[in-house]
Amino acid sequence: GQQVMQIPQYQHVQEGEDFTTYCNSSTTLSNIQWYKQRPGGHPVFLIQLVKSGEVKKQKRLTFQFGEAKKNSSLHITATQTTDVGTYFCAGRGGSGNTGKLIFGQGTTLQVKP
Amino acid sequence: NAGVTQTPKFQVLKTGQSMTLQCAQDMNHEYMSWYRQDPGMGLRLIHYSVGAGITDQGEVPNGYNVSRSTTEDFPLRLLSAAPSQTSVYFCASSSGTRPLHFGNGTRLTVT
Repeated sequence: GQQVMQIPQYQHVQEGEDFTTYCNSSTTLSNIQWYKQRPGGHPVFLIQLVKSGEVKKQKRLTFQFGEAKKNSSLHITATQTTDVGTYFCAGRGGSGNTGKLIFGQGTTLQVKP
Repeated sequence: NAGVTQTPKFQVLKTGQSMTLQCAQDMNHEYMSWYRQDPGMGLRLIHYSVGAGITDQGEVPNGYNVSRSTTEDFPLRLLSAAPSQTSVYFCASSSGTRPLHFGNGTRLTVT
């Protein structure tokens, strides 16, 4: 079945350092979504990537979707303490609206001020 | 605009007891799903539904039942709770392939 692997599981950085989390799927994805979960909260949607090779930016966050649509990455430039949380990728396989959304294990980011 | 509402927020069960976790959404989303979150395991899909009357299994369906009699509601039933079902449960909904909207979660402890 469809599997989505995410690394690393944890990352501790000094404020101002960069951070990257990687996501790999066992199958080709129709799209990939990224979510952020603050401690004690629920996942909140960040962005969706649909096209092969797509790159999207949100301020200090850069999201990439691989050419084969099987991998993705999230890069944060110059981390801030507000970036603390767990970042999840979620891949949708199948076709159209019927593909279930499978989440990676998440990467928990800690930022030291 | 309530979004996705989950009840209860906290629940303690004894092994063998049954209960239903409630999930309701008011956004007319056709897609609804249940996830459980455990440390180091991320969010694992239990069951999902692409519309009223249609349900399907996710990654970890054993020990859980669901039904989708209306578009708005998607309850998750534990027929005989086990300690391994201690977890945080999230209900989420979406329209088509659009982003998931999550409820606030239910923290379940089975002793």
